[in-house]
Amino acid sequence: AQSVTQLDSQVPVFEEAPVELRCNYSSSVSVYLFWYVQYPNQGLQLLLKYLSGSTLVKGINGFEAEFNKSQTSFHLRKPSVHISDTAEYFCAVYPRGYQKVTFGTGTKLQVIP
Amino acid sequence: DADVTQTPRNRITKTGKRIMLECSQTKGHDRMYWYRQDPGLGLRLIYYSFDVKDINKGEISDGYSVSRQAQAKFSLSLESAIPNQTALYFCATSEAGEVAGELFFGEGSRLTVL
Repeated sequence: AQSVTQLDSQVPVFEEAPVELRCNYSSSVSVYLFWYVQYPNQGLQLLLKYLSGSTLVKGINGFEAEFNKSQTSFHLRKPSVHISDTAEYFCAVYPRGYQKVTFGTGTKLQVIP
Repeated sequence: DADVTQTPRNRITKTGKRIMLECSQTKGHDRMYWYRQDPGLGLRLIYYSFDVKDINKGEISDGYSVSRQAQAKFSLSLESAIPNQTALYFCATSEAGEVAGELFFGEGSRLTVL
């Protein structure tokens, strides 16, 4: 079985400050990793993904994430946030050879002007 | 037009009523999914289908049923709705293989059961 833990349910941050949203996972097999973003009253859309190769992956809107296999983590970072980044962010894991994606419980990022 | 379309977008119904949520896609993907979103619980998988003849239960299938009418259509039914089925429901699609974790979502159907 696999699981995804997003310990921070809400993260307030001032505009133009850096942010890190934490994600840890557990799985008995190797995984593909994803971050999704949900803006208010919208569906989820892919922010970035790790399939293989470089452990630092870049996504849309200036976000990036680093896969750390030894710590089973995939934290999301942005060096300077904007008001428009206010949204809920979901980490997700897709174990190789399995059929289903497992989502974390989400982190609400609130950017304060 | 959206690649993944859900209808209705909002629905209020009463306990015991039958409800159907519909999903259609123009992505050409074989795989389709129904998720339920509740505050603080993230997204939980209700049912998924890898082709027209393949239907699989997810982690919270009790009280729900699905129908895959065509490659592009996947509907979710609540035979007798109850208040704890009040939630935001999402349909999603994906390709197969290593990119199967890349899901394409509809905009959601908000269901309220009174």
